[in-house]
Amino acid sequence: KAGVTQTPRYLIKTRGQQVTLSCSPISGHRSVSWYQQTPGQGLQFLFEYFSETQRNKGNFPGRFSGRQFSNSRSEMNVSTLELGDSALYLCASSLESVSTGELFFGEGSRLTVL
Amino acid sequence: AQTVTQSQPEMSVQEAETVTLSCTYDTSESDYYLFWYKQPPSRQMILVIRQEAYKQQNATENRFSVNFQKAAKSFSLKISDSQLGDAAMYFCAYNRGNEKLTFGTGTRLTIIP
Repeated sequence: KAGVTQTPRYLIKTRGQQVTLSCSPISGHRSVSWYQQTPGQGLQFLFEYFSETQRNKGNFPGRFSGRQFSNSRSEMNVSTLELGDSALYLCASSLESVSTGELFFGEGSRLTVL
Repeated sequence: AQTVTQSQPEMSVQEAETVTLSCTYDTSESDYYLFWYKQPPSRQMILVIRQEAYKQQNATENRFSVNFQKAAKSFSLKISDSQLGDAAMYFCAYNRGNEKLTFGTGTRLTIIP
C-alpha cells in the first residue's frame, strides 16, 4: 500500500510569489491535514479536509488556502510568499477522523522563500 | 486553548538503557486522546503510541510504554532497551474528538552506542 505522497519535495521561491503543494493520501483515506513545521514555532496545524470539505482550520492568514478533490488528493496554496513562510509543510492522512490518532504523514515539502 | 509542553528539548541515552520523555498538557476536557509521534532524520513522522483519556490502563507497544497521569495532566513516554533506530525527534500530541492535533515542541533523542 503506497504511503502519503507529497510533491514537490523541495522548492525555492522568492517573496511575493505563490506556491502550490500537493498531497496524495493513502488509498481509502478521506481525511487530509496540513501542518507547517519550523524550528521556532514547531508543528502548527493549517487545515483539515474531509470528503472535500474543510473541517478544521488553524490560525493562519488568508494567504494560506487549501482544497481537496473527489479522489481525496489535496492541495495547499500560499500566495504572496513571505520570508517567514519558509518551512517544512507536512501532509497527513487518516481513514476517518483525526481523533483516531492514526495519522500517516508524508515526507513533507521543504519550502524556502528568498 | 489546549497546550502541550515538552520541557526536555534534548535527551540522550546509552544503547540498551531506558529513557523517559516528559510531556504535560493543559485542557479542561475530560475526554481526549494523547499521542507520541516519532520523526526520524528522514522526516516522516510515525505514530508510536496512543492513549485514550477514559482508559486508566497505560498504553504499551513493545518497548514503548506511557505513564498517563490524568489528574496531573502528565503523559510521559518510556523507551526500554533503547536502540540506535530510536534516535529521532519525539512529539507529544493532544486532540479532543474531531479536532486538530496539538503538538508539543518536541524532544530530540540521541542514542549513544
